[in-house]
Amino acid sequence: ETVLTQSPATLSLSPGERATLSCRASQSVNNYLAWYQQIPGQPPRLLIYDASNRAAGIPARFSGSGSGTDFTLTISSLEPEDFAVYYCQQCSNWPLTFGGGTRVEIK
Amino acid sequence: EVQLVESGGHLVQPGGSLRLSCAASGFTFSGNAMGWVRQAPGKGLEWVSGIGSDFKTWYADSVKGRFTISRDNSKNTLYLQMNSLRADDTAVYYCAKDVYRWALDYWGQGTLVTASS
Repeated sequence: ETVLTQSPATLSLSPGERATLSCRASQSVNNYLAWYQQIPGQPPRLLIYDASNRAAGIPARFSGSGSGTDFTLTISSLEPEDFAVYYCQQCSNWPLTFGGGTRVEIK
Repeated sequence: EVQLVESGGHLVQPGGSLRLSCAASGFTFSGNAMGWVRQAPGKGLEWVSGIGSDFKTWYADSVKGRFTISRDNSKNTLYLQMNSLRADDTAVYYCAKDVYRWALDYWGQGTLVTASS
């Protein structure tokens, strides 16, 4: 099973700041990695697939990069609605797996 | 508009069975892979099972042999048959649609399954 490790567990930032979230895989997933945002009480929302492709309707301030085992989600300038939990998911090998999540909270 | 509506979740005793359903609309159901993802209270996301448009199926190790995913394209409905339920199966179960290689672009609101005596 491919284990995904997300860091940091919590990121405390202010609106307007840049957020950098990391996801590391225990083995190569090529570029088959997705990122999701989850607001409490709501289902997850797909942000990025194939490591760097924004899903439909996702603002340009969200960007993804990386390949192999190391991936990054960047939010260029945090908006109030971006404070949430973010998960990465590898789409390369069954069983598919999610990372443990990074909470982005208001500082 | 794409809609996914789950149903069937409720309180069940450990060892019991449940069948979850997910009614899909707003897209060509038969042409898309579909999946079930669960989230235990206060915890992260866990893939449960997926089914391709070709009816090929995949399962997490934690549910293999106990859960069965299926689909009825004539009814635009996805199912998850859950047997031998355990306390650690307690979670909100989400139905979701694949957009590309198991990235999930539409999700239902979820249905709560509680396995407890």
